[in-house]
Amino acid sequence: GESVGLHLPTLSVQEGDNSIINCAYSNSASDYFIWYKQESGKGPQFIIDIRSNMDKRQGQRVTVLLNKTVKHLSLQIAATQPGDSAVYFCAETGGTSYGKLTFGQGTILTVHP
Amino acid sequence: DTEVTQTPKHLVMGMTNKKSLKCEQHMGHRAMYWYKQKAKKPPELMFVYSYEKLSINESVPSRFSPECPNSSLLNLHLHALQPEDSALYLCASSQGGGVRQPQHFGDGTRLSIL
Repeated sequence: GESVGLHLPTLSVQEGDNSIINCAYSNSASDYFIWYKQESGKGPQFIIDIRSNMDKRQGQRVTVLLNKTVKHLSLQIAATQPGDSAVYFCAETGGTSYGKLTFGQGTILTVHP
Repeated sequence: DTEVTQTPKHLVMGMTNKKSLKCEQHMGHRAMYWYKQKAKKPPELMFVYSYEKLSINESVPSRFSPECPNSSLLNLHLHALQPEDSALYLCASSQGGGVRQPQHFGDGTRLSIL
């Protein structure tokens, strides 16, 4: 069935390190992928997205990589800061299910000063 | 601050009460969504409205009744809820029309059923 999952439920890094959060998906029809950050007491906040016709997309301190061959998505955060501490979710949609956003289980990122 | 506004932020209700959750956006988005999120879990889709018409109902119990009065507003009417319905209810909006654009979320209503 359709699923989006994460390899690591928690990630702990030192301030200034680079962080990599991984995500696997199984729906080959997925053509649009989004990363969200959710802080305690807040709703998911959009970070960056990527369409299936791309392999890489960069934002401010963040990069998303998409490997369609192995159905894998990753979020790289450069020079991680304490304010980056949150739960990170990948999400996917596409094909006839477009509009139905399926979330991964989430990774808790903790950044130590 | 998010561009999707949800009220109230917190709601406590008994199992026999009737209440409504409200969501508003002024980004001109034509798709709006309700999600349910339990603690330490990802959001789960409940309903999708596209151009003010219900397009997806993820087999949600009838004690949850969505309504989209216009393109900016989305309501979720609650009646005879169960304790397991206690959760964070999130509203989101997106451009709609199949355009690959992200959904933008509000900060949710924290619902507790006594």
